[in-house]
Amino acid sequence: DTGVSQNPRHKITKRGQNVTFRCDPISEHNRLYWYRQTLGQGPEFLTYFQNEAQLEKSRLLSDRFSAERPKGSFSTLEIQRTEQGDSAMYLCASSLDRVNYGYTFGSGTRLTVV
Amino acid sequence: DAKTTQPPSMDCAEGRAANLPCNHSTISGNEYVYWYRQIHSQGPQYIIHGLKNNETNEMASLIITEDRKSSTLILPHATLRDTAVYYCIVRADNYGQNFVFGPGTRLSVLP
Repeated sequence: DTGVSQNPRHKITKRGQNVTFRCDPISEHNRLYWYRQTLGQGPEFLTYFQNEAQLEKSRLLSDRFSAERPKGSFSTLEIQRTEQGDSAMYLCASSLDRVNYGYTFGSGTRLTVV
Repeated sequence: DAKTTQPPSMDCAEGRAANLPCNHSTISGNEYVYWYRQIHSQGPQYIIHGLKNNETNEMASLIITEDRKSSTLILPHATLRDTAVYYCIVRADNYGQNFVFGPGTRLSVLP
């Protein structure tokens, strides 16, 4: 297993465009998390899935953001009508469905909105 | 909000032990202390976690005070590759509870 994979690594987009990121978790991990990180700050929680069910969403996840995990494997995070404030690193993590278990993070997708 | 406080930055000489402190004075009985680190341009990496006993693995040691209100992460022989931001997080052992990251401690290992 190669760990958590995120694509693309970098994305530059014009304000107002839509973007979609993909996360492939570790295959046996049924929990999947999305975080956002801006410069100089720690990662902030956005949303999480258990299998295909989206169980929690942060208030940071505005209605321009949508996340899916259609078959309980990979996940996508879409941002519609991007704004400059969306510029950040978007991190995906996965874990087993077990208490007292840490996350494995991917390397992230760095989004720049110009 | 993060339930921990950490110094914003620390320096350590290469080959020496790096001792990173963390205060979690409001920790409750079912909350574990986790440590992650983030090397520039990468995602956070799990290091170690513990409840009340001291823990050691191949990366580091975790010393938790008896009252559990603070802890110290020890990197016994710091190398230049240990330069990173280190995050101390407390989390309950409940299903679905997420990790809440603070700003962490930026450790610089100096040659």
